[in-house]
Amino acid sequence: NAGVMQNPRHLVRRRGQEARLRCSPMKGHSHVYWYRQLPEEGLKFMVYLQKENIIDESGMPKERFSAEFPKEGPSILRIQQVVRGDSAAYFCASSPPAFSDTQYFGPGTRLTVL
Amino acid sequence: KQEVTQIPAALSVPEGENLVLNCSFTDSAIYNLQWFRQDPGKGLTSLLLIQSSQREQTSGRLNASLDKSSGRSTLYIAASQPGDSATYLCAVQYGGSQGNLIFGKGTKLSVKP
Repeated sequence: NAGVMQNPRHLVRRRGQEARLRCSPMKGHSHVYWYRQLPEEGLKFMVYLQKENIIDESGMPKERFSAEFPKEGPSILRIQQVVRGDSAAYFCASSPPAFSDTQYFGPGTRLTVL
Repeated sequence: KQEVTQIPAALSVPEGENLVLNCSFTDSAIYNLQWFRQDPGKGLTSLLLIQSSQREQTSGRLNASLDKSSGRSTLYIAASQPGDSATYLCAVQYGGSQGNLIFGKGTKLSVKP
């Protein structure tokens, strides 16, 4: 059973471009969480999704950021018109549909905005 | 506001030493507390999870304790090894099993051979 997959592992964008980060949860997992880790900071919760539903987006910036988890395919975190302050490591975690205390983390995508 | 604080921010010890990492949280109504390990450029590896009703958990050379009333947890590492060098993160979960995790900034541990 493969772990949580994220791609790309490293992404470089120029200011104003769009960044798309992908997360494939573990097999059988239908819950996905996105976290952001700014340099020298702890991980901060961004959004929690279930298949085709956003459950909690209280940590998402109000503008330029969006997330989806379609019925088929990976979860996507989309950042429009990136700025240098978006440079960070973005981690995805997944958990199974039944009660589970454990979130399984992917290796992260490191976004650098030039 | 729910916050998690870890001290020290960095720690350097010689190989073989026993050490303690500290974590404190402001809201004691936690669902559980988890310790993770993060290696440079890598994801997070879960080390120990303590439910709110538990006092401690052990795995090998690691022991984590939880004192909800005082809002504190400690991670004890016995007989440290150079391979233990990493950043250790404490995370608290509120609101049940589907709640998001609130992380501390971590303690960067370096074990010198």
